[in-house]
Amino acid sequence: EIVLTQSPGSLSLSPGDGATLSCRASQSVSSSFFAWYQQRPGQAPRLLIYGASNRATGVPDRFSGSGSGTHFTLTISRLEPEDFAVYYCQQYGSSVRTFGQGTKVEI
Amino acid sequence: QVQLQESGPGLVKPSETLSLTCTVSGYSISSGYYWAWIRQSPGKGLEWIGSKYHSGATYTNPSLQSRVVTSVDTSKNQLSLKMTSVTAADTAVYYCARDTPYSGLDVWGPGTLVTVSS
Repeated sequence: EIVLTQSPGSLSLSPGDGATLSCRASQSVSSSFFAWYQQRPGQAPRLLIYGASNRATGVPDRFSGSGSGTHFTLTISRLEPEDFAVYYCQQYGSSVRTFGQGTKVEI
Repeated sequence: QVQLQESGPGLVKPSETLSLTCTVSGYSISSGYYWAWIRQSPGKGLEWIGSKYHSGATYTNPSLQSRVVTSVDTSKNQLSLKMTSVTAADTAVYYCARDTPYSGLDVWGPGTLVTVSS
């Protein structure tokens, strides 16, 4: 099973700031099968990025994903009030899908 | 557009079986893709339970494999989850989602809270 470790556990930022979230895998993951999700309080998760760097439909271009192998990054260029949420990474290249533990981006 | 909706009892007694259904609209399950169950314990992160293809192939979280059965009913366009011998640790919001090969979990249901308590 591929273990995903996200850092930091939480980020305290202000609207307009940039944010960089990290996800490290215990073994190499194909970038074709790596995703990021956003979860706002009381809501279901929402797909943000798939294939490591492709924005899902309707996702603003202030969100970008990058990385390969065992290290992936989600960057939010200018935080809007609605971006304060929890972000999860996920790999779906193996038969056992796994999630990271989440990074909370808070004001 | 594709929509998913979970349904089932909100309260299950310890040692009993949890049964949930996810109804898919706007897309025929038999057209393809895997269909997944994910859960989230209160205040915790996401845990993948399993994914099932409409024609039968199934992947299940090894930590839950002995207690979980997933199935698909293409005639009703539904997927279902059964989890046996539940304990308080199985209290969670349960989500269903479409599990695509290149786009991950691209559509989610709103989730349903299941509490395990006597």
